[in-house]
Amino acid sequence: GDSVTQMEGPVTLSEEAFLTINCTYTATGYPSLFWYVQYPGEGLQLLLKATKADDKGSNKGFEATYRKETTSFHLEKGSVQVSDSAVYFCALTPYGNNRLAFGKGNQVVVIP
Amino acid sequence: ETGVTQTPRHLVMGMTNKKSLKCEQHLGHNAMYWYKQSAKKPLELMFVYSLEERVENNSVPSRFSPECPNSSHLFLHLHTLQPEDSALYLCASSQGSLAKNIQYFGAGTRLSVL
Repeated sequence: GDSVTQMEGPVTLSEEAFLTINCTYTATGYPSLFWYVQYPGEGLQLLLKATKADDKGSNKGFEATYRKETTSFHLEKGSVQVSDSAVYFCALTPYGNNRLAFGKGNQVVVIP
Repeated sequence: ETGVTQTPRHLVMGMTNKKSLKCEQHLGHNAMYWYKQSAKKPLELMFVYSLEERVENNSVPSRFSPECPNSSHLFLHLHTLQPEDSALYLCASSQGSLAKNIQYFGAGTRLSVL
C-alpha cells in the first residue's frame, strides 16, 4: 500500500541553522503530499502541501518540492528559530481520496 | 485554535471502566476522523465518518465504538481497554473526501489505561 518513510531519530540544531528533514514515499499513481507540524500539547496543523510533480509548497519559511523522479518531498528551512521546535510529519493521500498516510514523524529541537 | 475541540484532554482509566472521548468541530465540515497516535509509530486511522455515516473502519477492535450523532460531533466510546491502548487519540474533520480537502485536527486526548 501507499506509505511514507521519514528519516530516523530526533533532530537537534542551533538557532539560525539550516534544517532538512527527509521524506520519501511509495505510491501508485499521483498522490498529494503534505507536511504537518505538531507543537507541544497541540494537534497536528497543516504546514504545506503539493499536489503534483514539481510543485513547491511553502509556509512560514519552510519549503518542500514534490520530486516524482526520486519519490521525495524533503522539508527545508534556511534559518530555524526556537519556536520551530515541534514534531514534523510527512504524509500523503492517494489520488482520488483523502485517507492520509503518515510517516513516523521527526522531533525537531532548536536550541538558542 | 483549529476549530476542532476534543475533551477531555487527559484520561486515566482502568481496564474495566467505560468512558467516552468527545470531539466537536465548528468548521461546518461533513467528514470526521479518529486517529490513534502511539509512541514511535505512524498515526493510525481508526474510523472515518462522512455525512454522519461510517465509511471506514480500519480493523479496530470492538472495544472501541465510534458514534457520530450529527455532522459537528464525534464520540469514541471505550470499554474493557488494554494497556496497549494507551495513546494520544486525535480527531480531525474535513469538508468532503477528496485529496484537496485539508483535514483539521484537534489537540487530542491523552489516554492512559492502567
